[in-house]
Amino acid sequence: DTGVSQNPRHKITKRGQNVTFRCDPISEHNRLYWYRQTLGQGPEFLTYFQNEAQLEKSRLLSDRFSAERPKGSFSTLEIQRTEQGDSAMYLCASSLGAPLHFGNGTRLTVT
Amino acid sequence: RKEVEQDPGPFNVPEGATVAFNCTYSNSASQSFFWYRQDCRKEPKLLMSVYSSGNEDGRFTAQLNRASQYISLLIRDSKLSDSATYLCVTHRRGGADGLTFGKGTHLIIQP
Repeated sequence: DTGVSQNPRHKITKRGQNVTFRCDPISEHNRLYWYRQTLGQGPEFLTYFQNEAQLEKSRLLSDRFSAERPKGSFSTLEIQRTEQGDSAMYLCASSLGAPLHFGNGTRLTVT
Repeated sequence: RKEVEQDPGPFNVPEGATVAFNCTYSNSASQSFFWYRQDCRKEPKLLMSVYSSGNEDGRFTAQLNRASQYISLLIRDSKLSDSATYLCVTHRRGGADGLTFGKGTHLIIQP
């Protein structure tokens, strides 16, 4: 399967814990995006990488959130001190431009 | 005002009927436009790009009206498998923040 891969598919954590998600983009895609989606809403942009450089961050990305793409390949999204409001589907997408190709997401539940 | 607005529905449509959705966007710098389809608890998948001259892909027709800043999607001879949420998406030229999604229009095809 050469699509965008995300791990884990599901994560349940207690409030206050840290969580980390991984995204493996389509191999030739230099652009990588993180989005967040809650029930009844469209995906909301969080951050964007071109190769290893993080070029844009949404104001939605509080200081508890950090994303990396150290070698311009896979990316990680870490949420520190999780809150119940962080419960959502976290979607990764990659591209060479537009459109984007999404992974199947990591569903986070904070209890 | 939301950057991309859609009627959330749901649209309940009998199988075989024709259904149309509209979407309006507020950012006149938007250059590229797409319709994505999202099934319940799945990731968004590209349905089709939207070109200025209008374009068709099988039973699906997309149109763009730049002057009025709206995009439409027409589905002819609807199938049960067309039941999904349809997301209207815009992209700004040079925008590093990926795509901007509407909340989606929920379509239910009834037998």
